[in-house]
Amino acid sequence: QQQVKQSPQSLIVQKGGISIINCAYENTAFDYFPWYQQFPGKGPALLIAIRPDVSEKKEGRFTISFNKSAKQFSLHIMDSQPGDSATYFCAADTSGTYKYIFGTGTRLKVLA
Amino acid sequence: NAGVTQTPKFQVLKTGQSMTLQCAQDMNHEYMSWYRQDPGMGLRLIHYSVGAGITDQGEVPNGYNVSRSTTEDFPLRLLSAAPSQTSVYFCASRSPLGGYNEQFFGPGTRLTVL
Repeated sequence: QQQVKQSPQSLIVQKGGISIINCAYENTAFDYFPWYQQFPGKGPALLIAIRPDVSEKKEGRFTISFNKSAKQFSLHIMDSQPGDSATYFCAADTSGTYKYIFGTGTRLKVLA
Repeated sequence: NAGVTQTPKFQVLKTGQSMTLQCAQDMNHEYMSWYRQDPGMGLRLIHYSVGAGITDQGEVPNGYNVSRSTTEDFPLRLLSAAPSQTSVYFCASRSPLGGYNEQFFGPGTRLTVL
């Protein structure tokens, strides 16, 4: 069963544009929401993460927006660059369970 | 610091063969896990360990065995390979237990079962 639903499956954005990837979850026990970035042939690497006690977290061009009541969170990539072309995974975790649940991934392509 | 290392990078097996995927980390992390990545399905947890001698099942454990005799190593064993186990396998580690620290992933092993 898929507890974290991610959309879109793929995304094409022009250089300088905004990339937006959305995730929705069902389990209200989740209390940690990371985003991972994966380049071809590599393992995923943590990009940015948020806890549900804040509604937004920004690190450089990357922002997570979190809506606890709607059980949704999203990744915004401002001023998207060709180097951002990668697959992005959202995930959710509950403290003490040691079991990340990953979304199905979004393949982002930024056109030069 | 090498981080999380995995061997081999690529492997081709015939149906019914067995093999072990190796994973090691040099960060003294208590928590280690194995995931498989399949197109359109994200990463799914196979098994995990919270310390030497302690392992537990994840979402898709059937057909796989694990053991954790040291903090550094967490091998994944395929007992009798099946075509459905064709996938990319990632090992990950994190610390501390119960915290929100990031998971560090290895580079992956691409396995094909014929």
